[in-house]
Amino acid sequence: DTAVSQTPKYLVTQMGNDKSIKCEQNLGHDTMYWYKQDSKKFLKIMFSYNNKELIINETVPNRFSPKSPDKAHLNLHINSLELGDSAVYFCASKLRDGETQYFGPGTRLLVL
Amino acid sequence: QQQVKQSPQSLIVQKGGISIINCAYENTAFDYFPWYQQFPGKGPALLIAIRPDVSEKKEGRFTISFNKSAKQFSLHIMDSQPGDSATYFCAASTLGGSEKLVFGKGMKLTVNP
Repeated sequence: DTAVSQTPKYLVTQMGNDKSIKCEQNLGHDTMYWYKQDSKKFLKIMFSYNNKELIINETVPNRFSPKSPDKAHLNLHINSLELGDSAVYFCASKLRDGETQYFGPGTRLLVL
Repeated sequence: QQQVKQSPQSLIVQKGGISIINCAYENTAFDYFPWYQQFPGKGPALLIAIRPDVSEKKEGRFTISFNKSAKQFSLHIMDSQPGDSATYFCAASTLGGSEKLVFGKGMKLTVNP
């Protein structure tokens, strides 16, 4: 009974390619996030959606485009992948009026 | 500009010892301070959290101490166990605002048996 799931778990690709990461939560939450964890394990917010509406875009390059087809899903599409995009990407979710953000298991992206 | 500063970067303790992790924040609008635990290959998981209206919160072996005037908070892990070996992140957010979590840089804890 995975609460926040992400696919794929691992993604190895060449520079310049376009790739997508999918996130789904079955917690009934209405707010979802994307965080990036770099090689030094620093976690930083990228985007936040509430009820399919973008509410945070943390100065992320526009090669990154989030899409929320419904409140339970938040996908991340990355165009023209660069070496510096190699990182672990975490999806998280919470209730709008709640406190706790629940994180997914992460997608490990390696750009060669 | 790093809004949440965490120290130390790493810590090695013996089983049964006390682990202490410190964090300091700058933004006085922060009103929610969680600690997350992350094991290798896993996502961060909430360990314990505190709001600024209390100075201490204890859950089992884990205690958060909060000093609003100093803008500091810390995590104490009592009777540390090898299973506590993980990376610990402090974070802060403004509930009702953007609610994004601003994380410290993390601390790798190793508990030796």
